[in-house]
Amino acid sequence: EVQLVESGGGLVQPGGSLRLSCAASGFTFSSYWMSWVRQAPGKGLEWVANIKQDGSEKYYVDSVKGRFTISRDNAKNSLYLQMNSLRAEDTAVYYCARDMDAFDIWGQGTMVTVSS
Amino acid sequence: QSALTQPASVSGSPGQSITISCTGTSSDVGGYNYVSWYQQHPGKAPKLMIYDVSNRPSGVPDRFSGSKSGNTASLTISGLQAEDEADYYCSSYTSSSPVFGGGTKLTVL
Repeated sequence: EVQLVESGGGLVQPGGSLRLSCAASGFTFSSYWMSWVRQAPGKGLEWVANIKQDGSEKYYVDSVKGRFTISRDNAKNSLYLQMNSLRAEDTAVYYCARDMDAFDIWGQGTMVTVSS
Repeated sequence: QSALTQPASVSGSPGQSITISCTGTSSDVGGYNYVSWYQQHPGKAPKLMIYDVSNRPSGVPDRFSGSKSGNTASLTISGLQAEDEADYYCSSYTSSSPVFGGGTKLTVL
């Protein structure tokens, strides 16, 4: 079964850091671009970052540039999002998604809450 | 990286057809045939319904169809069913990154 499972969310204070993980199974992870997409409570979807199959290209939405870092470990079939200098407006459910010019596979999401 | 424009809400009765629009610019919707549509039920992850403007993934009913004209893409759902009630989001790739629409809440009356 093709599956993505996120983990690592939680409550963090403003200015803090958090590392999200996404475990992939059921497909050849190393063959696909991957993305992180977030959804603030009661709001719409927002693409956050994506990464090429071999990690050589990475792109970010302007609001997270310099604070978030996307990475992957193809040997472990895993995608990561290192989030630093977190702000209240980063509070959201974070989804990892397989990126084929459309997001065809999604994880269940992990909640990140930034609050003091 | 401006969001695409969707109506906040649409509604229809069972059996009817509805269309949700998604308006962008020549830099996103109008410039690429990489428009996709997602269905999201409350508390659930989004589900891909249409990709590359008008293609349906395996398992998506043919009641769902997509099209594009200029800078505006559209999702049409025919033969509305109660389970179609959900939020719908469009997305387009741009020269640098993907962008989503603000979402449309579909109510089945």
